[in-house]
Amino acid sequence: GAVVSQHPSWVICKSGTSVKIECRSLDFQATTMFWYRQFPKKSLMLMATSNEGSKATYEQGVEKDKFLINHASLTLSTLTVTSAHPEDSSFYICSASRTDFMNTEAFFGQGTRLTVV
Amino acid sequence: AQSVAQPEDQVNVAEGNPLTVKCTYSVSGNPYLFWYVQYPNRGLQFLLKYITGDNLVKGSYGFEAEFNKSQTSFHLKKPSALVSDSALYFCAVRATSGNTPLVFGKGTRLSVIA
Repeated sequence: GAVVSQHPSWVICKSGTSVKIECRSLDFQATTMFWYRQFPKKSLMLMATSNEGSKATYEQGVEKDKFLINHASLTLSTLTVTSAHPEDSSFYICSASRTDFMNTEAFFGQGTRLTVV
Repeated sequence: AQSVAQPEDQVNVAEGNPLTVKCTYSVSGNPYLFWYVQYPNRGLQFLLKYITGDNLVKGSYGFEAEFNKSQTSFHLKKPSALVSDSALYFCAVRATSGNTPLVFGKGTRLSVIA
């Protein structure tokens, strides 16, 4: 299967600072990537769709100014949590699908555990 | 709108016994169905998918799932559970082909007891 790499795996930051999370497709090109947030013992909540070369599409209730998404190349999308607060602490996961195959499964990064103190 | 229901928060099974994790879905048109497994503090690992063809789908680590259109179900099964199968399992659906996000169920925690 395809490989999606997410970095960092975990990060602790101070309240008010910004944190950048990277999502890379290592062996395929991904024009679209997805960012999810997972709360403890909960399912994955889609935050936004990241589109290469254009603006991200955010789900209802997700603050686009707080969660900045940049998809500058066909293999890299970044999520920046700006002015982080403790309530932003969560597990963030990205995913991508191969665009050269139809009906294919999504591949997920390892996830990033963000703790804001 | 698409939706997935996983009616059980937790499934407990003894090692060596068969296991079933339930999933039902709602979608307009033909569904594309997936099962993923998640270990603590890790991303999701793909297990298997149903797109078309045989209703019984075989996947990774000895897992299989049966697509039942009349019951709109896609239950995950394994003939003989291992302790290492203990994890969080997600069923997901997509109504269209192409690069659209998956809609996930809430997840079922499987605990296999030695």
